[in-house]
Order: sequence, then C-alpha cells, then structure tokens
Amino acid sequence: ETGVTQTPRHLVMGMTNKKSLKCEQHLGHNAMYWYKQSAKKPLELMFVYNFKEQTENNSVPSRFSPECPNSSHLFLHLHTLQPEDSALYLCASSQGYVGSNNEQFFGPGTRLTVL
Amino acid sequence: KNEVEQSPQNLTAQEGEFITINCSYSVGISALHWLQQHPGGGIVSLFMLSSGKKKHGRLIATINIQEKHSSLHITASHPRDSAVYICAVDSNTGNQFYFGTGTSLTVIP
Repeated sequence: ETGVTQTPRHLVMGMTNKKSLKCEQHLGHNAMYWYKQSAKKPLELMFVYNFKEQTENNSVPSRFSPECPNSSHLFLHLHTLQPEDSALYLCASSQGYVGSNNEQFFGPGTRLTVL
Repeated sequence: KNEVEQSPQNLTAQEGEFITINCSYSVGISALHWLQQHPGGGIVSLFMLSSGKKKHGRLIATINIQEKHSSLHITASHPRDSAVYICAVDSNTGNQFYFGTGTSLTVIP
C-alpha cells in the first residue's frame, strides 16, 4: 500500500463511451500526476497538478480531461477514446512538485481497454 | 533517443545470483530514482539518490554523476524480486521527469 488508490482497476469501454478514472491520495501531498504507460514505452507524463492548479499538460489530446477538485483527489475524464488509448493509467502524488527531488508515490493503475 | 536508457531490457537469473541493472542518462539531473513495478501495475519507489550509494536490504543503488550512470544491484536474488525495474531522473532544468523503458527481471527458483 502506497497511500494512493485508483478506481476502477480495470475498465473496458467503447469509443463512444464517457467514463472517469479516480485517484485519491491519503498522504497529505500537494502534487498529483497522471501517467500513461503503453507496452514497451517509457511512462508518459500527461498532467500535473500542484496545489490543485494544473501546471503541465504535455500535448495530451482533448479527449482526456483532468479535474482536481482538491489536493487529495484527481480525476481523468475520458470521452470518444481511440483503441490506441488502451494502456495502463497511473496516478502518483508527491509532497512537492516534480523536479524538486521529491519522491513520487504511485497508485496501482487502471488498465484501460478501448474497443 | 530517450533521455534515459536502461540495460538490459530483459534479464533472467537463477535464484541466489547477483544481479546488476544499468541506467544511463543524457540530461543534467538533480536526483535519480529506481522504481519497481510488479505484474498488475503498481509502482513502488526503491531509491532516490543524487550521489554515492544507498543500500536497503539486498538492494544497492549507486550513481556516478560525472559519468551520468547509475546501477541497481540485487544480492542473493529471489523469485519475489521478479518485476520490472525502472530508472527515472529529475531534470535540473524545466521541472521535467524522464523515465527509462524498464528492465524486466525474472528470477527462477
């Protein structure tokens, strides 16, 4: 247990569906992250929130929409996804912002399959 | 070319063997991380280091800043060490975090 939980753990959706991934951290951290992990590729940073403010959006398609209502919760809203979006989506949190020598704590991930 | 390169990509070892996984990076860094990812996806941070050497149980991590290289060693390997080991770096410019593609380790009883 890392103190970061993600739901659901597995999700299968059609290209016309709308779904949301949820992440919650119980560590009192100020920064939260969404990563995408595809087979044989490095983790890709998608979004960063620092003190609930989005600070990074690494050219992620608009069919992915993040939401951070408070420093403990992070959502990733999904709509009209493509099959190539199938991947493991990982949430992480850290006390301070990435790049400041802060250890990140990862959730277990959501395995997403888009049909 | 990825900013962080790991070798080998895949590694199979007999239980009890000494294992070394290597990481080279091309950017200036403030810290380097070794992460462990078990089947099923969850990632656990093993080490964060910016110089020298750290040890935790049977795991040892070293870093050579001048050579931009780090190694992760596992002594007396065990089947439960089977996982993907990922090297990642905090860039010291621009608040960037770069990941290697991981080394898949299988330890056979």
